[in-house]
Amino acid sequence: DTAVSQTPKYLVTQMGNDKSIKCEQNLGHDTMYWYKQDSKKFLKIMFSYNNKELIINETVPNRFSPKSPDKAHLNLHINSLELGDSAVYFCASRTGRADTQYFGPGTRLTVL
Amino acid sequence: SQQGEEDPQALSIQEGENATMNCSYKTSINNLQWYRQNSGRGLVHLILIRSNEREKHSGRLRVTLDTSKKSSSLLITASRAADTASYFCATDRQAGTALIFGKGTTLSVSS
Repeated sequence: DTAVSQTPKYLVTQMGNDKSIKCEQNLGHDTMYWYKQDSKKFLKIMFSYNNKELIINETVPNRFSPKSPDKAHLNLHINSLELGDSAVYFCASRTGRADTQYFGPGTRLTVL
Repeated sequence: SQQGEEDPQALSIQEGENATMNCSYKTSINNLQWYRQNSGRGLVHLILIRSNEREKHSGRLRVTLDTSKKSSSLLITASRAADTASYFCATDRQAGTALIFGKGTTLSVSS
């Protein structure tokens, strides 16, 4: 009965590869986010989707492409992975104009 | 640019002691929230204080907000080993927008 789930939990890959991270929420929320947490634990917003529509797109390389097939899912595809992409990626969701966000467990991406 | 800055970066205390963490931010806010992150886990919402509130309590947590100084503090009373985690403040400029996080305070509570 996990509220916000992400797969995979760990992802180790080589530079130049393309990979995807999936996020699903069963809370009925209509807004979902991707955050990136770097090695110093700094969390920064990457993207936000509301009802499958992109509403926030921070300064993120266009190698990162979010896709929301439906309200409950927000996936993150990364092309041509670079060493600097190594981080923990968190998915989050919230409902309506509520302020509290619910976070997934994170996906630790390691690019070798 | 980063909104919140936590202070201290790391805090080590004994069980039963109180832990105080501070957060400063730069622009006007709609509300300020505190989240906890246990090692290797996601963030869990702890408490929210709105811009027109000055103090809020939830169990062993006490949050204050001083909008004139653009700062907030989180007090955890009678700390337990299970409180060991990183604590982040987060703000948003408008209701429902993305959160802007501070760098976090790593709290270590030893028994």
